[in-house]
Amino acid sequence: EAQVTQNPRYLITVTGKKLTVTCSQNMNHEYMSWYRQDPGLGLRQIYYSMNVEVTDKGDVPEGYKVSRKEKRNFPLILESPSPNQTSLYFCASKRDSATWGYTFGSGTRLTVV
Amino acid sequence: GESVGLHLPTLSVQEGDNSIINCAYSNSASDYFIWYKQESGKGPQFIIDIRSNMDKRQGQRVTVLLNKTVKHLSLQIAATQPGDSAVYFCAEANDYKLSFGAGTTVTVRA
Repeated sequence: EAQVTQNPRYLITVTGKKLTVTCSQNMNHEYMSWYRQDPGLGLRQIYYSMNVEVTDKGDVPEGYKVSRKEKRNFPLILESPSPNQTSLYFCASKRDSATWGYTFGSGTRLTVV
Repeated sequence: GESVGLHLPTLSVQEGDNSIINCAYSNSASDYFIWYKQESGKGPQFIIDIRSNMDKRQGQRVTVLLNKTVKHLSLQIAATQPGDSAVYFCAEANDYKLSFGAGTTVTVRA
C-alpha cells in the first residue's frame, strides 16, 4: 500500500531532551515536507526537501532540523524541544514539481513538558 | 502577504443535503488550489484540485468552483453523508509547498 509512515504516533518528552520523529514513504516521491498543525493556525510548513541532500526552510523552521540522506526517509529532529513545540506534526510527500497534491502521514502528536 | 482562509469555521448540514464550503485567497499568482479533508485522528486527505485557468472541476460527489475575479474558491459536496463529517481545508499550491487556511468543520446531522 502506498503510504507515508510516521513514528511515533504519540510522544511526551521533557524540555531540552533531543528527539527525532521518523518519516518514510514507499512511493519513490522526490518531494517531502514537514508540517505542524495548531488550533486556529491550520497547517504550517516547517521544512521541505526536493530530493536527496536538498532541503530548505518552510514558514516555521526555528527549533527544527531535517535531513534527507535517502529518498524514502525524511526525519524531523528537535535538538532541544521547548513547550511551544507541542503540536501535531505531519510528514507529507509528492512525486515531483509537476504534481501539486501532497500525500500525508497519520501524524505525530508531540507534547513537551 | 499571502493568505488562504475560509469564510466559516463550522458548518452543520442535514444528511442528504448539499454542502458548500467557501474559501477566500489573496495571492492572485497561485497556479493551483487543492481541497483536503481531515478526519479525526488522521492526516489530511486529498479531495480535488483545480488549476487557476479553470472555473470548475467535478469529481465524485464533489465540485470545486474558482472565481478569480473575487479570489474565491468553493467546494460543493452533493448528498452529504455522515462520512463527510470532517475538517475541510483549502490550500494554495506552488511547486514545493501548500499554504493552508484554518479549516471548516463540517458536521452532518442525521
